Amino acid sequence: KAGVTQTPRYLIKTRGQQVTLSCSPISGHRSVSWYQQTPGQGLQFLFEYFSETQRNKGNFPGRFSGRQFSNSRSEMNVSTLELGDSALYLCASSLWTGGTQYFGPGTRLLVL
Amino acid sequence: GESVGLHLPTLSVQEGDNSIINCAYSNSASDYFIWYKQESGKGPQFIIDIRSNMDKRQGQRVTVLLNKTVKHLSLQIAATQPGDSAVYFCAETDSWGKLQFGAGTQVVVTP
Repeated sequence: KAGVTQTPRYLIKTRGQQVTLSCSPISGHRSVSWYQQTPGQGLQFLFEYFSETQRNKGNFPGRFSGRQFSNSRSEMNVSTLELGDSALYLCASSLWTGGTQYFGPGTRLLVL
Repeated sequence: GESVGLHLPTLSVQEGDNSIINCAYSNSASDYFIWYKQESGKGPQFIIDIRSNMDKRQGQRVTVLLNKTVKHLSLQIAATQPGDSAVYFCAETDSWGKLQFGAGTQVVVTP
């Protein structure tokens, strides 16, 4: 069974731009969670989607948003990028909310 | 607020020795704990998990111990190998199913 895939793997943007990241969960998994990983803050939870509905949300500004499609694929969007948004963005999928989460390789975003 | 934290930021282990990575958690309501391994340039990889109704669980070369009395979690790696060099995270799942991660411990395996 294929693992969690994320595209693109690397991205360079400039301040003020917006970006959309994509995540395809493991087949059969209906929950997708997003995390931001930085050296200073570690792994921080962004949000979780299950059956196209946001179930949980972390403490991030409204510039960070996401959605989930009927096939469980998910996207996250960051608008008006700031330098501090440079990070590794990780997606994880699980069968259900609260289930064991399996991570993708991440998208490394650099904001210049 | 509630948090999950690791005691040691870096653990140096000789190849063949056993490793013990520790984790303290503060949310006594957490009922599910997971250990992840993250190698450079990769996403976290699931190693082993344990529920709060257990105090020990064994996998292949790994054992997780849970002490609810002192809110402590540990991961033991037997016969540590060079491929075990990575950052190890403990994580707890809160009542909403959200994963909260600790800061991570860098394990360095020396020959």
